[in-house]
Amino acid sequence: SQQGEEDPQALSIQEGENATMNCSYKTSINNLQWYRQNSGRGLVHLILIRSNEREKHSGRLRVTLDTSKKSSSLLITASRAADTASYFCATYTFKAAGNKLTFGGGTRVLVKP
Amino acid sequence: NAGVTQTPKFQVLKTGQSMTLQCAQDMNHNSMYWYRQDPGMGLRLIYYSASEGTTDKGEVPNGYNVSRLNKREFSLRLESAAPSQTSVYFCASSGRDSRIYSNQPQHFGDGTRLSIL
Repeated sequence: SQQGEEDPQALSIQEGENATMNCSYKTSINNLQWYRQNSGRGLVHLILIRSNEREKHSGRLRVTLDTSKKSSSLLITASRAADTASYFCATYTFKAAGNKLTFGGGTRVLVKP
Repeated sequence: NAGVTQTPKFQVLKTGQSMTLQCAQDMNHNSMYWYRQDPGMGLRLIYYSASEGTTDKGEVPNGYNVSRLNKREFSLRLESAAPSQTSVYFCASSGRDSRIYSNQPQHFGDGTRLSIL
């Protein structure tokens, strides 16, 4: 079962525009992470936000977390063609063993030049 | 600067054949994972190893076995491949975080694309 669900499933924008995607989850978490996957490659970690944080920035990325609504958003500002990829949210909840993440189904982003 | 290395990159099997997917990491990470990725399904955890010498089932373990050979290597074995196991398989690793209620990001290999006919 998937903990995180991304919305929209696909997004097409022009270069220079902002891209926003959302992630909703069902149970309480310790942190939420966003990953990027380029076609034919593995996932690359972008940013981690802890449950006691509300907003985090990294370069052109801005992530928000609303634990009361169990949702997060990823904003990519001034998008570039190189941002074309699939983006996944993943949630982490502490358990006694392991260090497991639960991934959502992803948002496919196409940035047109 | 290799990170997580998976072999092979591509493989075609016939139903009933067996094979082992190999994964090695050079980041001295304690935890390693095997996922499968199917279209529109995101990643689903097959097995994981929290530390050397331990392995545990994930969300979809049926039809698979794993071996944590040492701290660097974590292999995934399909004993009798079935068409439903056609997928892209990813190995990942992560380090230990001293804060018990946190964790470190996972680092992924580039995947093994497996087709079972």
